[in-house]
Amino acid sequence: EVQLVESGGGLVQPGGSLRLSCAASGFTFSSYWMSWVRQAPGKGLEWVANIKDDGIEKYYVDSVRGRFTISRGNAENSLYLQMSSLRAEDTAVYYCARDVGEAVTDSWGQGTLVTVSS
Amino acid sequence: DIQMTQSPSSLSASVGDRVTITCRASQDISNYLAWFQQKPGKAPKSLIYASSSLHSGVPSRFSGTASGTDFTLTISSLQPEDFATYYCQQYHSYPLTFGGGTKVEIK
Repeated sequence: EVQLVESGGGLVQPGGSLRLSCAASGFTFSSYWMSWVRQAPGKGLEWVANIKDDGIEKYYVDSVRGRFTISRGNAENSLYLQMSSLRAEDTAVYYCARDVGEAVTDSWGQGTLVTVSS
Repeated sequence: DIQMTQSPSSLSASVGDRVTITCRASQDISNYLAWFQQKPGKAPKSLIYASSSLHSGVPSRFSGTASGTDFTLTISSLQPEDFATYYCQQYHSYPLTFGGGTKVEIK
């Protein structure tokens, strides 16, 4: 069974940094593209970034490019999202997701809440 | 960026009803269209990819069709567990973009 478990969310001040993690199990992690998708309170879904199985190719939504970095540790079966220069508008539940091929999402984690506030 | 416009934004329906949700892309995305279901306080669930292919385990009452830049999600006979918000997403071009969502409520 595919399992994706996010961690690392919490309250952070504007301008601060946070690192999210996603622990994957139940599949061969190193064979899949992975994504981060977020959802602001009461709002819709927003794709944030994805990363190729080997970690070489990465793509970002414009609003986070240069502030967020997606990475992965295939030996640890883990996906990461390093977030810096955080803004109030980054407040959201962040979901880790598995992609079949480059961008077909088939599995989701339960999400971790990031709140950016002073 | 490709804009995805969903309609309606909400609808009320009864158990057993046939429900149709539409998603329009602002430009050609071929069939690179996915549908997701989300219940309150829960993670999204993947339903359909490539506009009409069901993910494993998704009931056959869900179906998807495409016509040009218009895409449709149909629930043939609404069940109690289907009351949720549905999102479309294009994965033809970066950034990947979602529609605004359609909330299906109980009439």
